[in-house]
Amino acid sequence: GDSVIQMQGQVTLSENDFLFINCTYSTTGYPTLFWYVQYSGEGPQLLLQVTTANNKGSSRGFEATYDKGTTSFHLQKTSVQEIDSAVYYCAMRDRAGGNYKPTFGKGTSLVVHP
Amino acid sequence: NSKVIQTPRYLVKGQGQKAKMRCIPEKGHPVVFWYQQNKNNEFKFLINFQNQEVLQQIDMTEKRFSAECPSNSPCSLEIQSSEAGDSALYLCASSLLTHYEQYFGPGTRLTVL
Repeated sequence: GDSVIQMQGQVTLSENDFLFINCTYSTTGYPTLFWYVQYSGEGPQLLLQVTTANNKGSSRGFEATYDKGTTSFHLQKTSVQEIDSAVYYCAMRDRAGGNYKPTFGKGTSLVVHP
Repeated sequence: NSKVIQTPRYLVKGQGQKAKMRCIPEKGHPVVFWYQQNKNNEFKFLINFQNQEVLQQIDMTEKRFSAECPSNSPCSLEIQSSEAGDSALYLCASSLLTHYEQYFGPGTRLTVL
C-alpha cells in the first residue's frame, strides 16, 4: 500500500540555520504531494503541494521538489525563524481511482531557538 | 485561512459515555475527512464522505464510531461508548475533490477519564 516516511521526529535549530526535512514516499499510483504545517493549538494547514514530477513547490520561503526517481519530496528552507517552530507533515494523495484516503507521514517537530 | 468550524473545542467524557463532535466544512467543499491525532502527533484516518455518501472508513469506525454528513447540517462524529484510548485530537478537514488539498479545522480535543 501507499506509505510516507519522515525519519526525523524532531529537529532543533537556531534562527537563520538551514532546514532540511526528509520525506520519501511509496505508491503504485499517481501521487499529489503535500507539506502541511501545524502550529501549536491549531489544525494543520497547507504549506505547499506539487502534482508533477520534477516540479518545485514553494511558499513562505519553504521549498520542496518532487523527485520521481528517488521518490522523495524533501522540505527545505534557507534561513529559519523562531515563528517557523511547528510540526511539519509530508502527505500524499494518489490521484488514481479507488483509494480516497490520504497518507500522512509521522510528522517532524521543528524547534527554532532565537 | 481555513474556515472549517469544529465544535466543541474541548470535550470531557467518562468511560462508556457517548461523545459527539461536529464539523462545518468550508463552503462549497463536498468532501469531508475525519482523523484522530494522538499525543505523538500521528494521524489516523477514520472516515471520509463525498456529499452525504461514505467513501472509505476503517474498521474502528464501523464498530464504536459513527459519522454522518447530512445535507444542510453539520457533519458529526460520535463515539458510542468512549474508552480511555479514544482520548485524542479529532480533526475534520474538507476538500473540493478527494485528491486536492485539505482544509483543516482546529480540532476537538477529547479526554476520556
